[in-house]
Amino acid sequence: DAGVIQSPRHEVTEMGQEVTLRCKPISGHDYLFWYRQTMMRGLELLIYFNNNVPIDDSGMPEDRFSAKMPNASFSTLKIQPSEPRDSAVYFCASSRRATQETQYFGPGTRLLVL
Amino acid sequence: DAKTTQPPSMDCAEGRAANLPCNHSTISGNEYVYWYRQIHSQGPQYIIHGLKNNETNEMASLIITEDRKSSTLILPHATLRDTAVYYCIVRVVNSNYQLIWGAGTKLIIKP
Repeated sequence: DAGVIQSPRHEVTEMGQEVTLRCKPISGHDYLFWYRQTMMRGLELLIYFNNNVPIDDSGMPEDRFSAKMPNASFSTLKIQPSEPRDSAVYFCASSRRATQETQYFGPGTRLLVL
Repeated sequence: DAKTTQPPSMDCAEGRAANLPCNHSTISGNEYVYWYRQIHSQGPQYIIHGLKNNETNEMASLIITEDRKSSTLILPHATLRDTAVYYCIVRVVNSNYQLIWGAGTKLIIKP
């Protein structure tokens, strides 16, 4: 099993640019989670999906953030326009239906907005 | 807010058992205790979870007190690769599967 795959691993962009982060969950997993991690706020849940449907997006900081899951094997997190305070490590995680809390994390995308 | 309390840091000698404590005094009867760890520059990794009985797997053992107000994660023979931040998490009931992450314990294994 390849595990959760995220791309890109690193992203440097300028303020105001659009950023798209990608995630491929583990095959057969029904839940997909997007997290953000910073030194100040730790690990925060942004949004999660069940069977490709967004269930809880209360953690999405503002309208500049959006997430989609067009199919069971792909999800995107988009920031438009990006701001320096969005700089963080963004993790994607997935889990099976029967054990939702046993989440498997990807390697993360390190985003730096200048 | 996090529902768990952990020491911010701990040291352990390589080859010895590492015992990481966690207080969760407000835990509800049907809430599980989960442990994850995060090695530097990697995503968090699931270790173990339990409800009220002690649990053991290939990575660690989890000891939960009878009143369930605290638990201890035990790494029986710590290696340098076990240096990481360890998170004790209580699943919030009716939270739609949110895991509330605290600051964790930075465990440093020393040679």
